[in-house]
Amino acid sequence: DGGITQSPKYLFRKEGQNVTLSCEQNLNHDAMYWYRQDPGQGLRLIYYSQIVNDFQKGDIAEGYSVSREKKESFPLTVTSAQKNPTAFYLCASNPGQGGQPQHFGDGTRLSIL
Amino acid sequence: QKEVEQNSGPLSVPEGAIASLNCTYSDRGSQSFFWYRQYSGKSPELIMFIYSNGDKEDGRFTAQLNKASQYVSLLIRDSQPSDSATYLCAVKNSGGYNKLIFGAGTRLAVHP
Repeated sequence: DGGITQSPKYLFRKEGQNVTLSCEQNLNHDAMYWYRQDPGQGLRLIYYSQIVNDFQKGDIAEGYSVSREKKESFPLTVTSAQKNPTAFYLCASNPGQGGQPQHFGDGTRLSIL
Repeated sequence: QKEVEQNSGPLSVPEGAIASLNCTYSDRGSQSFFWYRQYSGKSPELIMFIYSNGDKEDGRFTAQLNKASQYVSLLIRDSQPSDSATYLCAVKNSGGYNKLIFGAGTRLAVHP
């Protein structure tokens, strides 16, 4: 059953702590994306990766970091430099060619303790 | 800054009516357009995509694209209470990378 798996579903961060959100896909997609959604707002792009070992900053990359060591995995670290991390984080993927649709995981909701 | 604009709503329609959701975009070179449905607390779900001017129909959904006017719309026929959700319009930018720009969404409420 192909899809995108995000974990955990809920995450709490303490002051000064880094936390990592997991995103795994078994769709054999080349491209993967991380978005942030705040209440009542659209999705904003944090980072994206078109291919293994390569990634690019999106519109709001400050305070976040990513890696893409495997095709299937694109973890996002929310660092202590991100002062307002409370949001709904969404991972997406697509084959990467042309304008094909992106499909989303179920999301991780991050809150500050 | 390339933008995608949507009326935030709520758009309230009676059950069985046609719901019309609209979206405008600023990047004249955009070629790919997407509509996602997002239920409260859930992730977005793709419902339609359109690449060419004109209409594209899929069941009760019709996407309409007018590149000259930089306008894309979604019609939902025979609206059901289960269609109540936020509908996000997304546009692929004209740059080389496959980036989507999302609107803030229109909240649709279908009442019995």
